[in-house]
Amino acid sequence: AQKVTQAQTEISVVEKEDVTLDCVYETRDTTYYLFWYKQPPSGELVFLIRRNSFDEQNEISGRYSWNFQKSTSSFNFTITASQVVDSAVYFCDLSEPQGYSSASKIIFGSGTRLSIRP
Amino acid sequence: DGGITQSPKYLFRKEGQNVTLSCEQNLNHDAMYWYRQDPGQGLRLIYYSQIVNDFQKGDIAEGYSVSREKKESFPLTVTSAQKNPTAFYLCASSKEGARNQPQHFGDGTRLSIL
Repeated sequence: AQKVTQAQTEISVVEKEDVTLDCVYETRDTTYYLFWYKQPPSGELVFLIRRNSFDEQNEISGRYSWNFQKSTSSFNFTITASQVVDSAVYFCDLSEPQGYSSASKIIFGSGTRLSIRP
Repeated sequence: DGGITQSPKYLFRKEGQNVTLSCEQNLNHDAMYWYRQDPGQGLRLIYYSQIVNDFQKGDIAEGYSVSREKKESFPLTVTSAQKNPTAFYLCASSKEGARNQPQHFGDGTRLSIL
């Protein structure tokens, strides 16, 4: 069965510190997709990044970087030099092709609430 | 601007009452989704639709119903059979139903029991 674990329920750091949000997933499929979304206090989730299972390249976008490691089934997210505007809940999502299974195959982690203190 | 509009922002339901949550998108996306979010939990999929006039149950469909008569609209009805409806409901869409597409979300409807 598919599963996404975000073990860090809440993280609080001082502005300008680096912070890493962990995401560990379980799946039997060889083809799958991983996403990170940000949920600010306004409520809507905002897409940050997608990674395909066959593409293990890490990615950097400004202060954000992602480390995808299939060997440890992890897709961790690092914010460098954090800012107060980064405060939000961050979700990791595992999605798999529908296939013939009745399961939806869209699994979100429980989220990590990140607070950046000025 | 293109996006997803959910209404109302807050909704109250009486015992035994059905209520309908609205979701409209002008992104010309084929696929639409409804999620439920409870405090401290991730999103759980209620229903999804990959194309007009077609929809499938998600992981927690019991007590809910949907329709997809127009590409732009995917309303969710919370029926009286849903015994614990208090939650935050999020609607989303993606360009296609393929699972490699990122989803675009509305800003949610918060449903409470009176």
